[in-house]
Amino acid sequence: AQSVTQLGSHVSVSEGALVLLRCNYSSSVPPYLFWYVQYPNQGLQLLLKYTSAATLVKGINGFEAEFKKSETSFHLTKPSAHMSDAAEYFCAVSATSITGKLIFGQGTTLQVKP
Amino acid sequence: NAGVTQTPKFRVLKTGQSMTLLCAQDMNHEYMYWYRQDPGMGLRLIHYSVGEGTTAKGEVPDGYNVSRLKKQNFLLGLESAAPSQTSVYFCASSYSHPANTGELFFGEGSRLTVL
Repeated sequence: AQSVTQLGSHVSVSEGALVLLRCNYSSSVPPYLFWYVQYPNQGLQLLLKYTSAATLVKGINGFEAEFKKSETSFHLTKPSAHMSDAAEYFCAVSATSITGKLIFGQGTTLQVKP
Repeated sequence: NAGVTQTPKFRVLKTGQSMTLLCAQDMNHEYMYWYRQDPGMGLRLIHYSVGEGTTAKGEVPDGYNVSRLKKQNFLLGLESAAPSQTSVYFCASSYSHPANTGELFFGEGSRLTVL
């Protein structure tokens, strides 16, 4: 069975500071891992994904994530936060590649202070 | 360039009433999904479909029914609404295996309140 745990429901950073959003996963098979972003009153959109290729994955808007099998982690980072990064971020693991079902974490709200 | 469209976007129901949420996608995707989003719980899968005429239960299917009569449409029904079904509902679609690598395309959500 697959599961995802996001550490910290709220993260607050200053504009220009490093963004670090934590995600740990559990999977009985090699996982596909994802980060999605949700801006206020919108649906989710894909930020980046890991599908067993390079362990360091680059996404849109300057975000990246590193797959660490030994730590069962897939943390999301961005070197310098921008006000427009304020949103809710979801880590997800694919239950199976056959049906495309995703298991989502609880979400982390990122606040960016001026 | 519509993508995934959900209707209605907002609805208020009284306990015991019924309603249907409609999801339409124009990307010719085989797979479609209904999720509900609740504070602090992320998104939870209600039902999904891997093709026209097929449906399957997700994580939280009780109190909901679905139908996929046409490839482009996926309907979510509540036969007798309960306050516990107050939530934001998201429809999503994706490519089928083996092209599918987990990227879901989401609608903008339908906010349902049950009084």
